[in-house]
Formats: sequence, C-alpha cells, structure tokens
Amino acid sequence: NAGVTQTPKFRILKIGQSMTLQCTQDMNHNYMYWYRQDPGMGLKLIYYSVGAGITDKGEVPNGYNVSRSTTEDFPLRLELAAPSQTSVYFCASSPGQVLQPQHFGDGTRLSIL
Amino acid sequence: AQSVAQPEDQVNVAEGNPLTVKCTYSVSGNPYLFWYVQYPNRGLQFLLKYITGDNLVKGSYGFEAEFNKSQTSFHLKKPSALVSDSALYFCAVRDPPTTGGKLQFGAGTQVVVTP
Repeated sequence: NAGVTQTPKFRILKIGQSMTLQCTQDMNHNYMYWYRQDPGMGLKLIYYSVGAGITDKGEVPNGYNVSRSTTEDFPLRLELAAPSQTSVYFCASSPGQVLQPQHFGDGTRLSIL
Repeated sequence: AQSVAQPEDQVNVAEGNPLTVKCTYSVSGNPYLFWYVQYPNRGLQFLLKYITGDNLVKGSYGFEAEFNKSQTSFHLKKPSALVSDSALYFCAVRDPPTTGGKLQFGAGTQVVVTP
C-alpha cells in the first residue's frame, strides 16, 4: 500500500530558483493538504484542496502555488526560492469526511542556500 | 478560531513508567481532537481521535487519551512506556467541514523514554 508518496525526499536549491514538490495518493481521497514543518513550530498549512480543480490558501501561502488537476496529484510549486522557505514539507490526504484522520507522506526536506 | 496548546516541549520518562503528554484546546462548537506521532525522518502517523461519546479514547500502540470538557484538555497517556515510544507527538484540532476540515496542530512534544 503506497498511501501518500512525496518526491523528492531531499533537495538543495539556490536562492531565486524554482521547483515543484510532487505529491500523489492512491487512496482516492478527495481532500489533500500541504504543510511545512519548522522546528518548535508544529505544522503550518500552506494550501489545501477539497477536490480536483478546487484549491484554497492555508495559513502560510505566500511564495507557493498549487494545482489539482486530478484526484491523485497535488503538486506544490515554489517560485523564486528564499532562505525562509527552508523547511520540511509534508503532503497529506483524507476522505471527504472531517472525522477521518489525515494520512501523511514522509516529507521533502528542502534547503535554500 | 480553533487551536490547541502543548505546554511541554519535552517529556522524559523511564521505560515502564506511565507516560502523559498534555494538550489543551480552544474551540467554538464541538471539538474534533486528534493525536499524531512522528518518528525521525517520517511523516505523521495517526494515533487516536475524539469526536463524541466516551471521554476515554483508545488508540494505536497502547495509547489512550482522556477528554475533559471542563478543563478543555485532551491528554495522551500510556500506562507503561517503551523506549520505542520515543518520538515527537502532536495534538491537533480539526476545523468544521464547511471550512475545509483543516487540522490546527500544536507545537509538538518530544518524548524521550530512557531504558
């Protein structure tokens, strides 16, 4: 069972470069989420989607973009990478019901130098 | 706005002793509360949830949590800790479905279990 798969696992970027973090899930979940995790700060929501073609901003969306063209995929785009975007990024998914837990990928560790 | 707080950055416990990780919440309406665990270099894993009903919720790996409405708390407990329980634990509250069902996480509590 693959669950939520994130690629790449590690990446180093230079300031000003751009990249796309990939996320795919095979559980046919409608809801998908992108979080960033910084030490001592818990997880902060960047963007989320409640279904294909529908996305919305979370708590910290600046500097990021998302798209959701299929149920399975929810890529996160970083434009003009900045050192403040150095973090661990997690993708998660859940069924449409609020009572169901979210399933997380293993994360992408991103450093901006 | 929904929020949770974890007052302890780290909890140290000897193997075999009881483990408690504290969480308090602030919500408008009914609370939907969750505990997740994160092992090194891994994503978060679901442990248990409180939606309604019994105040004592049982979850994975021998963990349980006690919901206390009067104290607005949802503490995670394990009667006898194992070294393998050493990990980062997150309490979370879920927004209502009308606002996307987003999770609001606490800052996390590092649990260290010593042999």
